[in-house]
Amino acid sequence: QVQLVESGGGVVQSGESLRLSCTASGFTFSTSGMHWVRQAPGKGLEWVAFIRNDGSDKYYVDSVKGRFTISRDNSEDTLYLQMDSLRTDDTAVYYCARESNDMGTWGLGTLVIVSS
Amino acid sequence: IVMTQTPLSLSVTPGQPASISCKSSQSLLHNSGKTFLYWFLQKPGQSPQLLIHEVSSRFSGVPNRFSGSGSGTDFTLKMSRVEAEDVGVYYCMQGIQLPYTFGQGTKLEIK
Repeated sequence: QVQLVESGGGVVQSGESLRLSCTASGFTFSTSGMHWVRQAPGKGLEWVAFIRNDGSDKYYVDSVKGRFTISRDNSEDTLYLQMDSLRTDDTAVYYCARESNDMGTWGLGTLVIVSS
Repeated sequence: IVMTQTPLSLSVTPGQPASISCKSSQSLLHNSGKTFLYWFLQKPGQSPQLLIHEVSSRFSGVPNRFSGSGSGTDFTLKMSRVEAEDVGVYYCMQGIQLPYTFGQGTKLEIK
């Protein structure tokens, strides 16, 4: 069964850090690029970051460049999002999604709340 | 690339058709010949789910009452007969250029 499970969300203060994880199963993780997409409360979807299957290339939305780092461990079938210098407008549910089936697989998301 | 959806909300009687428009600020036609336009549905309290990829290809398990069409910068998602389970927010997304961008979303309600 193809599955993505996010974890690591929580409540933090503005300026603090958090690391999200996304554990994959049911497909060959090392052959798929991976995305992070977020959704602020009551708002639409916002693409955040992408990493190629081998980690060779990484891309970010402008609002998180220099603060967020996407990475992966193919030996552990796990995707990460290191979030530093968090701001209140980073408050959102963060989803990981699989590239290799056209973003046909999403996790349930993990909620990040940044308080001032 | 800016994605603009219309309408932003839709109220439909079960069994009736519905359509959503999505326009991109740049062509989504790649030099490979593929057009990278996707449609997602986010049902209440759930993660987004892929409905359509590359304009008109239904994802695995998606009912054939959903269809996508369009080219270049203008795209449409059609539902031939809306059912109660179709309620939620529909998003188009361009995947030709990073950062990928989504439309604002169209909320479908059942009358």
